[in-house]
Amino acid sequence: GAGVSQSPSNKVTEKGKDVELRCDPISGHTALYWYRQSLGQGLEFLIYFQGNSAPDKSGLPSDRFSAERTGGSVSTLTIQRTQQEDSAVYLCASSLARILGGYTFGSGTRLTVV
Amino acid sequence: AQRVTQPEKLLSVFKGAPVELKCNYSYSGSPELFWYVQYSRQRLQLLLRHISRESIKGFTADLNKGETSFHLKKPFAQEEDSAMYYCAPFGNDMRFGAGTRLTVKP
Repeated sequence: GAGVSQSPSNKVTEKGKDVELRCDPISGHTALYWYRQSLGQGLEFLIYFQGNSAPDKSGLPSDRFSAERTGGSVSTLTIQRTQQEDSAVYLCASSLARILGGYTFGSGTRLTVV
Repeated sequence: AQRVTQPEKLLSVFKGAPVELKCNYSYSGSPELFWYVQYSRQRLQLLLRHISRESIKGFTADLNKGETSFHLKKPFAQEEDSAMYYCAPFGNDMRFGAGTRLTVKP
């Protein structure tokens, strides 16, 4: 597509439920990144994909968080047993390759855990 | 660990005043660094990259290897420059700086 697309744009969920956030990167972009932006906080790196593999998962805050990428394209970030502190805007970005250029960001998914 | 740091969380200047948003890095060699901007209710977007040595919206940033800095500068701030600014590496580390919220007052 023309840009990085994320869905849903907004998600309200009850504490304890699982959620899935989706990212469609720019076609042909091999690298994909997930970040989290909490109110009043900066960008927190979560995970990075090169193709379908995730060389760096070090930013995932707990084992409730997982992500996968299939076909070198769409990625899904899953949060299990959501907690209120998971409330944030989850941003996805893609780039042509890790060694080239910069990131193109999606508009994010605003997750609210009630 | 290699990092970028933005020491100021908040920065406020008056319209027409010069502005400098600080970014320091701790990478060895020649890092590839970018500035990203997020205007209110818009997505994060690339402002400029050091490798292209360009000026975007009047902003410039020079990589100073001696001071390990990549400060973002504009000689005359405008109200529409009010936004969140992030200094970011590209390559081996994908951790952005903490960000500086710039407010340009009329």
